[in-house]
Amino acid sequence: DAGITQSPRHKVTETGTPVTLRCHQTENHRYMYWYRQDPGHGLRLIHYSYGVKDTDKGEVSDGYSVSRSKTEDFLLTLESATSSQTSVYFCAIKTPSSYEQYFGPGTRLTVT
Amino acid sequence: AQSVAQPEDQVNVAEGNPLTVKCTYSVSGNPYLFWYVQYPNRGLQFLLKYITGDNLVKGSYGFEAEFNKSQTSFHLKKPSALVSDSALYFCAVREDNYGQNFVFGPGTRLSVLP
Repeated sequence: DAGITQSPRHKVTETGTPVTLRCHQTENHRYMYWYRQDPGHGLRLIHYSYGVKDTDKGEVSDGYSVSRSKTEDFLLTLESATSSQTSVYFCAIKTPSSYEQYFGPGTRLTVT
Repeated sequence: AQSVAQPEDQVNVAEGNPLTVKCTYSVSGNPYLFWYVQYPNRGLQFLLKYITGDNLVKGSYGFEAEFNKSQTSFHLKKPSALVSDSALYFCAVREDNYGQNFVFGPGTRLSVLP
């Protein structure tokens, strides 16, 4: 998985609680992305980062925030989780010399 | 705005037969096109890409794809399917000068029957 780890791999939480998902890469690549995967929708971009403290919104950013204080870590936070945020979340990186993305193993989040 | 369509939710093919998974796209500028495969409970794995040049691109595991600009398509193909090719396949597009936005299709589930 291209040196990308995600934690936790599975999480069950209650509506209204804050949740933070972590993506860690070992290669210090500049670009990092958070997606959610839902049946019938493929992958949808939540936020991405193009450097430390440099982030931008994607297609489905409402209800999510991100932070990148170190090159290797990209955090996704659900400030107050809702059942509609039940999904599988994938982190991805893009190397400077490639056009394609490489994905982490995913985090399955269930909001009850 | 960019968009990707995969018109078939499911494709069934017999082992040994050729397979095609369809993808059409819409972008304003020049497209960068990608195929990814996802096995159960795994992340997406990169298969191949079209950036420029030859319209027929070859990738991992014997897969290839043909870029057709006039039909705005990028269909994934393999001459002889294997049972182990059964998985979920995603087409993605990025417009060459449109930042870092990759847009993914909804996915096509390929089942190769023994």
